[in-house]
Order: sequence, then C-alpha cells, then structure tokens
Amino acid sequence: DAGVIQSPRHEVTEMGQEVTLRCKPISGHDYLFWYRQTMMRGLELLIYFNNNVPIDDSGMPEDRFSAKMPNASFSTLKIQPSEPRDSAVYFCASSFQAELAKNIQYFGAGTRLSVL
Amino acid sequence: GQNIDQPTEMTATEGAIVQINCTYQTSGFNGLFWYQQHAGEAPTFLSYNVLDGLEEKGRFSSFLSRSKGYSYLLLKELQMKDSASYLCAHHSSGGYNKLIFGAGTRLAVHP
Repeated sequence: DAGVIQSPRHEVTEMGQEVTLRCKPISGHDYLFWYRQTMMRGLELLIYFNNNVPIDDSGMPEDRFSAKMPNASFSTLKIQPSEPRDSAVYFCASSFQAELAKNIQYFGAGTRLSVL
Repeated sequence: GQNIDQPTEMTATEGAIVQINCTYQTSGFNGLFWYQQHAGEAPTFLSYNVLDGLEEKGRFSSFLSRSKGYSYLLLKELQMKDSASYLCAHHSSGGYNKLIFGAGTRLAVHP
C-alpha cells in the first residue's frame, strides 16, 4: 500500500486566500484524523472521522476551518480565509480499528503551509 | 486532565543507551504509544503498551507503569539515524480513537 497520501506537500499563500489540503487514507482504514503541528503547540488533533462521518471537531480552531470526507478514500481540510497564524505543518493520519484499543495511526508526509 | 510531560531535548553518543521518560495524567487510561519523528517527516509508530512491564522490539524497548503514570522508551546501541523527536501519546479519556500527544523529546546522537 502507498500509505497515507497528502497534497500538496508545500503551500505558500497570502493572507486572506482560501487553502485546501487533501488526504487519501490507506485503503480499508475506517478512521481519518487531521492534525496540526507547530513548534509552540506541538501536534494537535483538529478533527477526526469514522466511516466518513465527523466524530469530534473540538480541536478545530475556529469557523475559518472546515473539513469534509465525501467518501472513504478522500478528505479535505479547508481554511478560508487564511491567516499568518495558520502557518504550520498539517498531517493527515488513518487507522483501522481491528484491535479496539491499539488503533495505530499511520501518518501522511504532511503539508507545510506558509501564510504570508 | 490529560497532561503529558517529557524532556524537551536529550543528547547521547553513538553506541550508547538512552532512556526517554514520559509521565502522564489521564482520567481514563487505554494505552501508551511512542512515535518517532525525523525532522521534516511524519511521525511513525514505534510501540504500544497497555499492561505494566517492558515490551522489547529489537534495539527499542518501552516500559509502562500504570500506577505511577509513567513510561519510558529505551534505545540501545544508538545510531546516528536515531536522531529524531520521540513523541509519547495516550488515548483520550473519551475513548480509544483520539490520541493526545506530548510535545516530544528531541534526541541528538553524536559520534
């Protein structure tokens, strides 16, 4: 399997622009997670889906952020409008709950976002 | 609360042994994970402990004491490629699916 695939790898945009990050989870996985990583705050969970349904979006910072999962093989994280403080590395991860407690998450390579 | 504490940075010498500690507080414990993250790359799974004791996997071992809220990752025969951040994480008290990550320990291995 190719693993979790994210695009783009790097995104540079200007403040106020819309940004869309994309993720293809590992085939067969039923959980998908969006994380944000910064030096100051570390790795933070933004939202996660189970069988394409959003389960917990309590980590989404504000209304400018939205996430969708229209099918089992694709998810997007959108920021509109973007602000310089959104600059971070955004990771997507997926997992399969074969073993209830273990639930290992596999991460994509991340999207490095710079908002100028 | 769901707090995780681990040292910010550590240094060690190639060939040596290093122990990275992690203490945590959670109202509902469901397992402790260690992930490795090389600079500019994604976190990758290293180990999982749900019962007390030591789990050995090659050069890496992970220990857990649930009563003390304590875990450590032991790296033996250090290699330069082990220079990375090591993230301790546990399930959220709300369920198995959500992981809470520590800030990570940045390990530098020197010749």
